[in-house]
Parts: sequence; C-alpha cells; structure tokens
Amino acid sequence: AQSVTQPDIHITVSEGASLELRCNYSYGATPYLFWYVQSPGQGLQLLLKYFSGDTLVQGIKGFEAEFKRSQSSFNLRKPSVHWSDAAEYFCAVVHTGANNLFFGTGTRLTVIP
Amino acid sequence: NAGVTQTPKFRVLKTGQSMTLLCAQDMNHEYMYWYRQDPGMGLRLIHYSVGEGTTAKGEVPDGYNVSRLKKQNFLLGLESAAPSQTSVYFCASSYSVAEQYFGPGTRLTVT
Repeated sequence: AQSVTQPDIHITVSEGASLELRCNYSYGATPYLFWYVQSPGQGLQLLLKYFSGDTLVQGIKGFEAEFKRSQSSFNLRKPSVHWSDAAEYFCAVVHTGANNLFFGTGTRLTVIP
Repeated sequence: NAGVTQTPKFRVLKTGQSMTLLCAQDMNHEYMYWYRQDPGMGLRLIHYSVGEGTTAKGEVPDGYNVSRLKKQNFLLGLESAAPSQTSVYFCASSYSVAEQYFGPGTRLTVT
C-alpha cells in the first residue's frame, strides 16, 4: 500500500523567511508526486508536479520541490514567504496505473509579519 | 469557463435525511472524483469515475452512492445521513488521474 506522510501539522514562519515543507511517501516504485495548496474556504489548487526527469521542479507562486529517491521525499520550498502564502499545503502521490491520488494529512502554514 | 462547480455550497441535514450533491465540469474531463475532508485527515476518496457511465469505490465509500449519467456531471448521494458524514466534500476532475482540478467544496452538517 502506498501512503504519504507530512510530519509537520503546523508551521509558522516570518514573512520574507525561507520555507520548507516535508513530504515522504512509501511505495516501491517512483510514483507521480504533487503539491496542492488550499486557501481558507477554498478548493485545492495544484502548485507543482513531478512525473520523471529533472528532480527539481518549479511551480506556481515561486514554489519549487525536489524529489529525492534515496529519501523517498518530495519537499516543497520557497526562498521568501509572502503573507499571502498562508494556507494549508497537501502532498499527494499516485503510482502509474492507479486511478486515484493519495493525499497527506496536510501542513498548515502561518505567516507572521 | 467555470471549471468545476459544486452545488449546494452549504447544507444542514437531520440524521436519516437524504440528499444529493451535484458536481459539474466544463473541461471535457474523463475522470471525476468525490473526496471528503475532515480535520487532521487530509482528503479521502469516496468514489470516482473514469468515464461516463462508470463508477468505482474509493477509500471511504460506505454510506454514499454516485452516478455519472453525463460526462460533465458526477452526483454524490447520501441515502440516510449520519452525523459521521458531517464534512466538507470536494469534487475534482481531470484528463487523467494526475492534475486534478477541484471545486470550491460543499460544507455538510448532519445533526
């Protein structure tokens, strides 16, 4: 069975500081990997995805993520956080041939001035 | 281009009542999904469809039924609502299993 772990339930950072949100997956082969963002009261929006190739992927809103096979990780990063980045972030995986995404439990980001 | 829309946005039901949530997409997507979101549990897949006329069970299908009579619509039914079904429900659609587009959600309270 595949699973996704987001070890940090809640993270607080200062505006302008760097950010890293952790995501680990358990699955034998390399899955497809995603990060979604959910602003309060909204649906989920895709930030970025990894299917294959370059392990550092760029997404929208200045986010990037790096796939590390040896660590089974797909951590999300941003060099300088803006107040508007306050939201909940979900990592998700799907393996080839499957029909659905598996989501992590999410990390809530608070940005302080 | 409205994307994925959900109706209603909010609903309060009494235990035992029934209701149907409607999801509509105008992107000609084959795949459609229903999730529920509960605090601390992320999103869990209820049912999904890989094309018109098809449905399949997800991770938490009990107490729910679905229908995909038209490609653009995916209905989620609760035949006899229970307090455990209090949740926020999200519909999503996609060309393939990846890159799902989500609706704004329906907040359901069962008393």
